Amino acid sequence: EVQLVESGGGLIQPGGSLRLSCAASGFTVNSHYMNWVRQAPGKGLEWLSVMYSGGSTFYADSVKGRFTISRDTSNNILYLDMDTLRVEDTAVYYCARGGRGGIAAPLVDYWGQGTLVTVSS
Amino acid sequence: DIVMTQSPDSLAVSLGERATINCKSSQSIFFHSYNKNYLAWFQQKPGQPPKLLISWASTRESGVPDRFSGSGSGTDFTLTISSLQAEDVAVYYCQHYYSTPWTFGPGTRLEIK
Repeated sequence: EVQLVESGGGLIQPGGSLRLSCAASGFTVNSHYMNWVRQAPGKGLEWLSVMYSGGSTFYADSVKGRFTISRDTSNNILYLDMDTLRVEDTAVYYCARGGRGGIAAPLVDYWGQGTLVTVSS
Repeated sequence: DIVMTQSPDSLAVSLGERATINCKSSQSIFFHSYNKNYLAWFQQKPGQPPKLLISWASTRESGVPDRFSGSGSGTDFTLTISSLQAEDVAVYYCQHYYSTPWTFGPGTRLEIK
């Protein structure tokens, strides 16, 4: 059974750093496109970043240069390192699995339950 | 970047009636080489993560009731719920996956009238 469990959220001051983790089971993170998507309180979904199965990474302009996606294949964990956090980064952060490759790879088929990050002084 | 818009922002429909949600992309998301529209529809219920309903603009995912259907091509797309059920109350999002960033529409809130 595919499962994604995010952790690492919490309250952080503006300018601070945080690392989110997404523990995957039922598949391997390096065999699929893996995404981070966030949702500010009461707002819509915002795609943030993807790591392709081959290792390439892409980011939304809103987080480029501040956030870094990575993975630990030994422990089957996806990470999101977040630096220089801003109040507007407050959101539930979801880890989401894409396809294995080919044209269907960007399609997200499984989501975690999310972890809440609150940036406030 | 491709911008996705949706209409209406919210919608109230009587049980058993048809609900129609529109999605528009700022440029075509039809990939000629594969003859496919790179558009997905997601359903998000309160307190839950989104759920993939439809891919490739019109392909219903396994387990999704057949009252849900997707249509459209190029830049204009529609999600239709043919006969609204109480469990369909949710926010619906379209998303393109044509090129990064894979942006979402702002969402349409669907309620019971």
